[in-house]
Amino acid sequence: GAVVSQHPSWVICKSGTSVKIECRSLDFQATTMFWYRQFPKQSLMLMATSNEGSKATYEQGVEKDKFLINHASLTLSTLTVTSAHPEDSSFYICSACRDRGTVLETQYFGPGTRLLVL
Amino acid sequence: QKEVEQNSGPLSVPEGAIASLNCTYSDRGSQSFFWYRQYSGKSPELIMSIYSNGDKEDGRFTAQLNKASQYVSLLIRDSQPSDSATYLCALGYNQGGKLIFGQGTELSVKP
Repeated sequence: GAVVSQHPSWVICKSGTSVKIECRSLDFQATTMFWYRQFPKQSLMLMATSNEGSKATYEQGVEKDKFLINHASLTLSTLTVTSAHPEDSSFYICSACRDRGTVLETQYFGPGTRLLVL
Repeated sequence: QKEVEQNSGPLSVPEGAIASLNCTYSDRGSQSFFWYRQYSGKSPELIMSIYSNGDKEDGRFTAQLNKASQYVSLLIRDSQPSDSATYLCALGYNQGGKLIFGQGTELSVKP
């Protein structure tokens, strides 16, 4: 159990377009989902915390108008990179928790989405 | 000072040896600590979690936590080439449940 999927697994787009990434918990209900970004040879950087039915909480330095997060159901959160630019090229990874984001609850990671903006 | 610091490596050990991975953190209020393994091009997978001072063993893996020294480590016994990966140390925050990751240590186990 506790499988998290992401779609698409990779995407190539032109600069200026918007890209939507989906994160789904397949066999459990996720009240909290997290979005991370990872550049080559660097660690995971938390972008935002997404709670079902409420606005996402963004980390300092992450533009909320550029990275739109929607957590409309207990099994789906989406990240939209608006007007993507080459510097947005990265590995985007989501994770999901069953409970209301208590630290003792394990985060289950999705397989990641590799974005390349030309 | 970064919240979570790890030696980026690479750490190279021969097959069958013990690999020792270290992590220090700055927030004395941190309560939860995690070790994740990440293969190249893949997302992280949880190896161990530890919440109390002392050692916690799971198969070939042992996590050690010393809150007074703000130090957490991971020992891998009988290292195998399949253990070659980047190991990420993470702190968990009770409020909101978010994780803060270190930069990771690259481990290479040579046959």
